[in-house]
Amino acid sequence: AQKVTQAQTEISVVEKEDVTLDCVYETRDTTYYLFWYKQPPSGELVFLIRRNSFDEQNEISGRYSWNFQKSTSSFNFTITASQVVDSAVYFCALRPATTSGSRLTFGEGTQLTVNP
Amino acid sequence: EAQVTQNPRYLITVTGKKLTVTCSQNMNHEYMSWYRQDPGLGLRQIYYSMNVEVTDKGDVPEGYKVSRKEKRNFPLILESPSPNQTSLYFCASSFSGRGYNEQFFGPGTRLTVL
Repeated sequence: AQKVTQAQTEISVVEKEDVTLDCVYETRDTTYYLFWYKQPPSGELVFLIRRNSFDEQNEISGRYSWNFQKSTSSFNFTITASQVVDSAVYFCALRPATTSGSRLTFGEGTQLTVNP
Repeated sequence: EAQVTQNPRYLITVTGKKLTVTCSQNMNHEYMSWYRQDPGLGLRQIYYSMNVEVTDKGDVPEGYKVSRKEKRNFPLILESPSPNQTSLYFCASSFSGRGYNEQFFGPGTRLTVL
């Protein structure tokens, strides 16, 4: 069985603050993929990043960065200098790599509100 | 444009009235899946399909049916909807069922069952 936990239900920050969204996962698989999706107020799901379990390098994309630590089963997401447009629900998700037809397991989501 | 489409986008219906939510993708993807999103629960998988005529249950399949007669289409059927099926539904597709493949999501269908 696999599980993804996003303990922060809601986070509220003021524009230009840095914010970190936590994601902790459980899986028995040795190889797997982790994902982050963004759901803006319009409702669609936007893919942000994919990370495989062999690659623990941190990744930076503009104001976004991701910290993957296999030792603590965490895949945290940081937004630097947040903007109002970053307001959305963010989902972390996990999918085993070795099983064909493996399901994508989502966390509960974190509602981020960036206030002007 | 590569996309996953769903229809209808919004639907209000009554208990027991059969309905179908359509899903279509134009990317020649083998794998398709349905999720429902509920507050505090994230997205949960209802059914998935590895290819034409191959479907299987996800985490919450009760009260739903699916079919995959064509590669591009994966309709979700509620034979006798109940109020606890009021939710936001997403269809998704990917090249294959392997873990690496990013899933592309449709715009969502907001269903209310009275």
